[in-house]
Amino acid sequence: EVQLLDSGGGLVQPGGSLRLSCTASGFMFSSRAMSWVRQAPGKGLEWVSTISGLGFETFYADSLRGRFIISRDNSKKSSYLQMNSLRAEDTAIYYCANGGHMSSFDSWGQGTLVTVSS
Amino acid sequence: EIVLTQSPATLSLSPGERATLSCRASQSVGSSLAWYQQKPGQAPRLVISDTSNRATGIPARFSGSGSATDFTLTISSLEPEDFAVYYCQQRSEWPRTFGPGTKLDVK
Repeated sequence: EVQLLDSGGGLVQPGGSLRLSCTASGFMFSSRAMSWVRQAPGKGLEWVSTISGLGFETFYADSLRGRFIISRDNSKKSSYLQMNSLRAEDTAIYYCANGGHMSSFDSWGQGTLVTVSS
Repeated sequence: EIVLTQSPATLSLSPGERATLSCRASQSVGSSLAWYQQKPGQAPRLVISDTSNRATGIPARFSGSGSATDFTLTISSLEPEDFAVYYCQQRSEWPRTFGPGTKLDVK
């Protein structure tokens, strides 16, 4: 059974940084792209970033490029999202998902809430 | 970027009825269109990938069709657990984009 456990959310002040983590099990981690999708309170889904299975390719939403960095450690079956220069509009539930490169977002984590507020 | 438009925004039906949800793309996405179901307080769940492939564990009452710019998710006979928000999403081009969602609620 595929399981994705995302963590690392919390309350952060504007301009601050946060690192989200996603730990996977139940599939061959290094063979699958990993992605982050967010959802602002009461809003729809917004794709954030995707990293290929071996980590050689990364993709970002235009509005986030330069502030967010996606990475992965296949030895730990984990994906990460480093979020810098956070703004109030980054407040959302952040979901990790497997896939997103050559496939749809097949499985999702439970989400981790990021709140950017002073 | 490819803009996805979903209609209707809200669909009110009764259990046992047939639901037809639409997704239109601003340019062709080929067959690279997926559908997700999201219930309140839960993460999204993949329902249909690549236009018409049911995801693991998705009942046969769910079906997808379409191509290029016009896609449909059909639920043949609604069960109580099907009432949720449904999003379409394209993986034809970067950035990946989602539609705004259709809320399927109980009439």
